[in-house]
Amino acid sequence: DTEVTQTPKHLVMGMTNKKSLKCEQHMGHRAMYWYKQKAKKPPELMFVYSYEKLSINESVPSRFSPECPNSSLLNLHLHALQPEDSALYLCASSGDHLDEQYFGPGTRLTVT
Amino acid sequence: SQQGEEDPQALSIQEGENATMNCSYKTSINNLQWYRQNSGRGLVHLILIRSNEREKHSGRLRVTLDTSKKSSSLLITASRAADTASYFCATDHTGNQFYFGTGTSLTVIP
Repeated sequence: DTEVTQTPKHLVMGMTNKKSLKCEQHMGHRAMYWYKQKAKKPPELMFVYSYEKLSINESVPSRFSPECPNSSLLNLHLHALQPEDSALYLCASSGDHLDEQYFGPGTRLTVT
Repeated sequence: SQQGEEDPQALSIQEGENATMNCSYKTSINNLQWYRQNSGRGLVHLILIRSNEREKHSGRLRVTLDTSKKSSSLLITASRAADTASYFCATDHTGNQFYFGTGTSLTVIP
């Protein structure tokens, strides 16, 4: 199985809501990533987990909270988001830290 | 910003022609990767080239790396309409930093 799955595909949330994005891989990869991508821009790295430990946190606001419950799962908890947080959120995994990455299809998030 | 710069920003070619896109970066790297993204979808990994390598091939793709000039190029030979996508370089820098370049939008006209 060479697939990274993400749920939900689309999410609309108000600024006071709490929601979570989920990502799963069954390739035995030890590194997992969250990216944010605005339209017509490159992905921006948010967080990296390596061997279930947070290894990179790119100064992301605390309203985004990552969680890695086990080596196959990665969550991104969202709380009190702003309209400018609306974007495509991409999850990826790789066999080793910052190696070739496999991407999920993304969650399209709209904050109203 | 450490983000890599790609040129051209956009490229339009006829099917069967070759497409070349370039990536430049600012600080030392461990490796450089190329990815493709079809509109609004997840990215697909194409090639990874390590800092001690100069050239790599994969099917119709050829990647070169010149660490003295801090630049890389991606060549797609005999392009097809299905190659229409955005192409990004991504650099793994010493100091645990990773950045995607600005991207090249490629259109292949049938």
